Amino acid sequence: DIQMTQSPSSLSASVGDRVTITCRASESISNYLNWYQQKPGKAPNLLIHTSSTLQSGVPSRFSGSGSGTHFTLTISSLQAEDFATYFCQQSYSKPAFGQGTKVEIK
Amino acid sequence: QVTLKESGPVLVRPTETLTLTCTVSGFSLSSGRMGVSWIRQPPGKALEWLAHIFSDDEKSYSPSLKSRLTISKDTSKSQVVLTMTNMDPVDTATYYCARIIQFSDYFDYWGQGTLVTVSS
Repeated sequence: DIQMTQSPSSLSASVGDRVTITCRASESISNYLNWYQQKPGKAPNLLIHTSSTLQSGVPSRFSGSGSGTHFTLTISSLQAEDFATYFCQQSYSKPAFGQGTKVEIK
Repeated sequence: QVTLKESGPVLVRPTETLTLTCTVSGFSLSSGRMGVSWIRQPPGKALEWLAHIFSDDEKSYSPSLKSRLTISKDTSKSQVVLTMTNMDPVDTATYYCARIIQFSDYFDYWGQGTLVTVSS
């Protein structure tokens, strides 16, 4: 099974900050990596699929990059509504999620 | 407009079988490169993929739970059903159904989720 590891597990940031979250796969997954945002009590929301394709309706301050085993999600200028938990998910083999990164207000 | 909605019991006793239903609208369960997955999330923990079924009836299961899971669909009712046998308190979680895009395998629409508690 392919294991997904996110870092950090949590971070504190201020509105306007640039935030980067990393996701590593235990083996190469090409570009089959997706990112989701989840707010408390809500279902996850797809942000980016296939490493760097922004899902329709998602603000352009979100971007994704990477291939192989190393991937990043970047929020260029953190907004108040971006405080949430972010999950990566590989779709190269049977789907598997990272453990999540909680973005909190500093 | 694509929507998915989960339904099922809120409380299950240990050793019982859980049956969850996902009712979809806005897309077809019998055509197109899409399907429905079940994903769960224990309170305060990460997401765990359980199973999916595609329009061509291709099915796939989590290796760690495969022996306990069965997924099926009723296209006439626009429903996907997941059964999980031998429930245990560690199976307490919010269970989500989500639309999955075939060959890319990402989840673009999600239901609101249903919390299932396993307790005697």
